[in-house]
Amino acid sequence: KQEVTQIPAALSVPEGENLVLNCSFTDSAIYNLQWFRQDPGKGLTSLLLIQSSQREQTSGRLNASLDKSSGRSTLYIAASQPGDSATYLCAVETQGGSEKLVFGKGTKLTVNP
Amino acid sequence: DVKVTQSSRYLVKRTGEKVFLECVQDMDHENMFWYRQDPGLGLRLIYFSYDVKMKEKGDIPEGYSVSREKKERFSLILESASTNQTSMYLCASSLGGGVETQYFGPGTRLLVL
Repeated sequence: KQEVTQIPAALSVPEGENLVLNCSFTDSAIYNLQWFRQDPGKGLTSLLLIQSSQREQTSGRLNASLDKSSGRSTLYIAASQPGDSATYLCAVETQGGSEKLVFGKGTKLTVNP
Repeated sequence: DVKVTQSSRYLVKRTGEKVFLECVQDMDHENMFWYRQDPGLGLRLIYFSYDVKMKEKGDIPEGYSVSREKKERFSLILESASTNQTSMYLCASSLGGGVETQYFGPGTRLLVL
């Protein structure tokens, strides 16, 4: 059974710092990996989707990488801002086309002004 | 922009009541999903649907049922609410084909007394 782990569970950094969030998964046979953001009491917002054949995706200050063989992904946030404070969730789709996602429990990020 | 709406942001019900949670999407998406999110457990899939009148069980379907009579609407039903169903419920939709992300609604926080 696929399991997704995110470390650390919480992270606090000063504004302007570059940071990396980690995600690992136990079964490398994934279809894609996605990163989401969740603000307190709200739904999830998609940040980046990496297909299994891709190594990375970039959107603005965000860069996500995927190493399928080692079962790892990282989300890199450059020049962090207080507005980046949120919980970041990693999810993998394990069956091609099923769109069933297995989520990690998230990393709660706080960026201090 | 894709919009996924949920009928209530907050709901308080009593044990044994029948509870309906409604979700509507406006982008003609094929797939719709219901999750619950609990502290320490993350997001877990309850049910999903690939098409009208079609449903499949997720990881935790016990105590729930669903209905999809129209493509844009996916309802989650708690036949007899129990206190252990107190949770945040999130609906999502996706286009299908496995290449696009899921779009989430704002969530319904349900309290069962």
